[in-house]
Amino acid sequence: DVKVTQSSRYLVKRTGEKVFLECVQDMDHENMFWYRQDPGLGLRLIYFSYDVKMKEKGDIPEGYSVSREKKERFSLILESASTNQTSMYLCASMLSSRDRIKTQYFGPGTRLLVL
Amino acid sequence: QKEVEQNSGPLSVPEGAIASLNCTYSDRGSQSFFWYRQYSGKSPELIMFIYSNGDKEDGRFTAQLNKASQYVSLLIRDSQPSDSATYLCAVNTDKLIFGTGTRLQVFP
Repeated sequence: DVKVTQSSRYLVKRTGEKVFLECVQDMDHENMFWYRQDPGLGLRLIYFSYDVKMKEKGDIPEGYSVSREKKERFSLILESASTNQTSMYLCASMLSSRDRIKTQYFGPGTRLLVL
Repeated sequence: QKEVEQNSGPLSVPEGAIASLNCTYSDRGSQSFFWYRQYSGKSPELIMFIYSNGDKEDGRFTAQLNKASQYVSLLIRDSQPSDSATYLCAVNTDKLIFGTGTRLQVFP
């Protein structure tokens, strides 16, 4: 079974703080993704990575950055947290872009509250 | 027009009935299609994927794909209260696009 873990289930931070969200997968997947999910807006892609040290912007990258120093770990960084970044953050991993089906598997999510 | 559209619901069905969830998509180049189940406060969990026209069955779940009409559906037979959740349709072109989900309520 694919296992994707995220460092925190719940997080409370203050406006202006730097926030790190970590995601680890244990299936040697090449691709990893960060989404945020908000009521009525569905899942929106923030950043993704096809390989170590590779990153690509998704649909809503503003205010975020990412780091992928090791294949199994993909970090999302909020440089200066703002209240509009209060959300559920979901990490996902996928075997490879070359895989025909391209199934993504999700971690448990981190619910972030920025005060 | 949204890329992936789902009726937000709630869809209410009695226990034991068939629940039918529908999804339409706009990109004719879409190649693979997914249904995820998401319980309140939890992350999406993959139920099924389909990439060929027709039906694909897995236990009580059947996914149906019609590429000509650009819709994909999920049937849940013998619905149980534990099936109550939000069901997300996702469509893969060069990236995975999610619908906003249909909330299903199965009442005893």
